[in-house]
Amino acid sequence: NAGVTQTPKFRVLKTGQSMTLLCAQDMNHEYMYWYRQDPGMGLRLIHYSVGEGTTAKGEVPDGYNVSRLKKQNFLLGLESAAPSQTSVYFCASSPTYWTGKDNSPLHFGNGTRLTVT
Amino acid sequence: AQKVTQAQTEISVVEKEDVTLDCVYETRDTTYYLFWYKQPPSGELVFLIRRNSFDEQNEISGRYSWNFQKSTSSFNFTITASQVVDSAVYFCALSGRGSGNTGKLIFGQGTTLQVKP
Repeated sequence: NAGVTQTPKFRVLKTGQSMTLLCAQDMNHEYMYWYRQDPGMGLRLIHYSVGEGTTAKGEVPDGYNVSRLKKQNFLLGLESAAPSQTSVYFCASSPTYWTGKDNSPLHFGNGTRLTVT
Repeated sequence: AQKVTQAQTEISVVEKEDVTLDCVYETRDTTYYLFWYKQPPSGELVFLIRRNSFDEQNEISGRYSWNFQKSTSSFNFTITASQVVDSAVYFCALSGRGSGNTGKLIFGQGTTLQVKP
């Protein structure tokens, strides 16, 4: 059981280049999320999805697009990368309903470190 | 609007000292959830605890304890007899209840804890 898998783990882009980050989960979760982590700012929600074929904007959506064509995958795209998008990106998934006091609602991937020069 | 504030950016202690990480939150929801996550130097996010808004009972898990006080909108985290392995960034987070809000967490800025031997 792999949980949430992010691809790639590291990437360096030049300004203006495009790329897609892939997130895959094998837990049959309905909800999926993309967060970015920046020093001193914690994690901030970029986009999320409440089911296959749906997407919605989070707190910091500008400069990113997402797609959820299959329930298990959630793609994050950067059409024209900017240095301000240098960050660590975390994908997460969650079930519709939480069960048990000790369960985290969010299952995180291990992150993708992106540098835009 | 929802907000989480972790005023302590960095804390440095010597091993075996007790340390408290502060978390203050703002929300208009009457039902909400509070969380703590740990991010060790390896970068992954590790779930520590989830509390719901109608359960103010303090929680103890080994050397970890949490103090939830709705009157002061605080959810503080104490590590007793700290160890070098506790060195990490700790995030406090808040989630509102409702469809689609399951994993839309609002994170604090994070507190970097350094435990020196």
